[in-house]
Parts: sequence; structure tokens; C-alpha cells
Amino acid sequence: GAVVSQHPSRVICKSGTSVKIECRSLDFQATTMFWYRQFPKQSLMLMATSNEGSKATYEQGVEKDKFLINHASLTLSTLTVTSAHPEDSSFYICSASVLGDRDEKLFFGSGTQLSVL
Amino acid sequence: AQSVTQLGSHVSVSEGALVLLRCNYSSSVPPYLFWYVQYPNQGLQLLLKYTTGATLVKGINGFEAEFKKSETSFHLTKPSAHMSDAAEYFCAVSFGGYQKVTFGTGTKLQVIP
Repeated sequence: GAVVSQHPSRVICKSGTSVKIECRSLDFQATTMFWYRQFPKQSLMLMATSNEGSKATYEQGVEKDKFLINHASLTLSTLTVTSAHPEDSSFYICSASVLGDRDEKLFFGSGTQLSVL
Repeated sequence: AQSVTQLGSHVSVSEGALVLLRCNYSSSVPPYLFWYVQYPNQGLQLLLKYTTGATLVKGINGFEAEFKKSETSFHLTKPSAHMSDAAEYFCAVSFGGYQKVTFGTGTKLQVIP
């Protein structure tokens, strides 16, 4: 099946620094990419939806200036957590959708565990 | 608005026993319903989905789920648990397609030998 590669899988950073997370669709061109955040014992929460070449659409309550999304190509989307703080520590996961022959399919990356000290 | 409730954050079953993971949803329009599985250090993998048509949906690895509109439920079952089924399972709902998918909090399945 299709593969979505997310990198890094785990990152630890100091408060105030910025962290970039990459999401790549390895063997297909994604129609749309999604970014989710999951806090411990909570569900995945959609942060933003991005399409190649256009600005991301952020969900209510998600700061667009803090969580910068760049969807540079049909196979790559990046999420940059700017000026990270301990409360940004979370599990971030991306997904990519592609229109198949019959319907739309969604594939997930393996996630990035961000710990901000 | 749509929401998903998964009853039980942890479920333990013996190998060979029935697996039942519960999911209830709320949606103001006919929903699309999904079950995903996440193995350690891996991404979410689609087990099965309901969009329209037959309410009993069969998925991969012997899992199936039944959409019951009157009960607003979409419980996941497997007749006989295998050790390899140990993972975290997420129920999800959307209005249609993969835009605005809402996930449940997940249920960790433990299979006891």
C-alpha cells in the first residue's frame, strides 16, 4: 500500500526554539495533507488541512503563526512549531489523501513525539 | 457537529476469545464511519469503513463492524483474538470523505496468551 513517511519520529527541544516536522508521500501524489495533534489519553485533533501551493486551512483555536504549514509539492508538507513551549509537547501526526479509482483514500504517517523542555 | 465515543480505553481479551470494541457516534447528517488500527511506532492503518449500503462491513485481519443507526453505534468485532491483534484502535466519523474526520480517544487492546 501507499506509504507516508513522517520525520523525525521523536524530537526533544528547548523552550523557545523552532521544530520542523516533515511529511512525505513516498509513492503517490497527495491531493490533500492533514496535520493532527494528539495529547495523552485524548483523541487525534485536526489542526489544519493543506493543499499543494495554497495556504493551509486551520481549525478553530489553532494558531497559524505558531504552527506554520508549508505544502511545497504534491509529495511534501512540513509543519514548523515556532517558539515551542512545554504546552506544545504532544504527538503530531500527518496524513495524506489521494483520489483512487473508486474513492478517496487516506494514509497516515507514523507520527512525531515532540517534547519541549 | 460530530463526535465519537469509544467505551473503554483498555480492553483485555484472551487469545481465541471474542474481541468487541465499542464505538458510538453523533452526527447531524448520515456519517461515514471508520476504524483504524495503530501498531507501536507505526501510522494509523484503515481496518474498515462504512459509507453507504450494507451495514455490516468486513475489513482486514478478520475484523468487521456493523453500522446501527438506531443505536448510533459502530462496534468493532473479531470472533477470535490473535496475539498480533494487540494494538490501539481508533473509531472515527466524518460527514463524508476524509475532510473533517473526528477521531475517538482510542482503545488499547491487550491479548493475553
